[in-house]
Amino acid sequence: KQEVTQIPAALSVPEGENLVLNCSFTDSAIYNLQWFRQDPGKGLTSLLLIQSSQREQTSGRLNASLDKSSGRSTLYIAASQPGDSATYLCAGRVSSGAGSYQLTFGKGTKLSVIP
Amino acid sequence: EAGVTQFPSHSVIEKGQTVTLRCDPISGHDNLYWYRRVMGKEIKFLLHFVKESKQDESGMPNNRFLAERTGGTYSTLKVQPAELEDSGVYFCASNMRGRTDTQYFGPGTRLTVL
Repeated sequence: KQEVTQIPAALSVPEGENLVLNCSFTDSAIYNLQWFRQDPGKGLTSLLLIQSSQREQTSGRLNASLDKSSGRSTLYIAASQPGDSATYLCAGRVSSGAGSYQLTFGKGTKLSVIP
Repeated sequence: EAGVTQFPSHSVIEKGQTVTLRCDPISGHDNLYWYRRVMGKEIKFLLHFVKESKQDESGMPNNRFLAERTGGTYSTLKVQPAELEDSGVYFCASNMRGRTDTQYFGPGTRLTVL
């Protein structure tokens, strides 16, 4: 059974700092890993999707990496801004064996960027 | 292109009552998923539809939960009778290709059972 862990649970950084959010998973047989952002009271916004055959994906100031062998993914945010404050979730996609590809989520990292 | 929509955004009911949540996926998305987040826990999978068929309902907590997707378009999730532990945020997601595609999430329905 896939388990996803995110450390730290909360992180506070000054504006402009680069930061790394960590995600670890137990089942290396994932098909892909997805990073989301959730703002208070809002839904999940997909940030990056890394397929199992890829090692990283980039979008603007965001870079996500995937190392299946070690069961780890990281989300790097460059030059953080107050608008980056949100909860960041990672989710690994595995097969349930029933032809389904459900996402298994971590509990998230709550990021606060201080102006 | 409209995203995934969910209705209602918030529902407050008493224990023992029935509530029906609705999800409209992105047009053309055959795959529809329901997830739930209860207080202090991670988001957990409930079930997966491919068109109108239930592909995987292994995450459904018990038989008080009934999901349908008539015609393969929108889906409903009914809780009957609701219990206190059913409180949480219910998310719906959709995509075209189940294995490889991004899952697009709706804003969620916050259910409070008193």
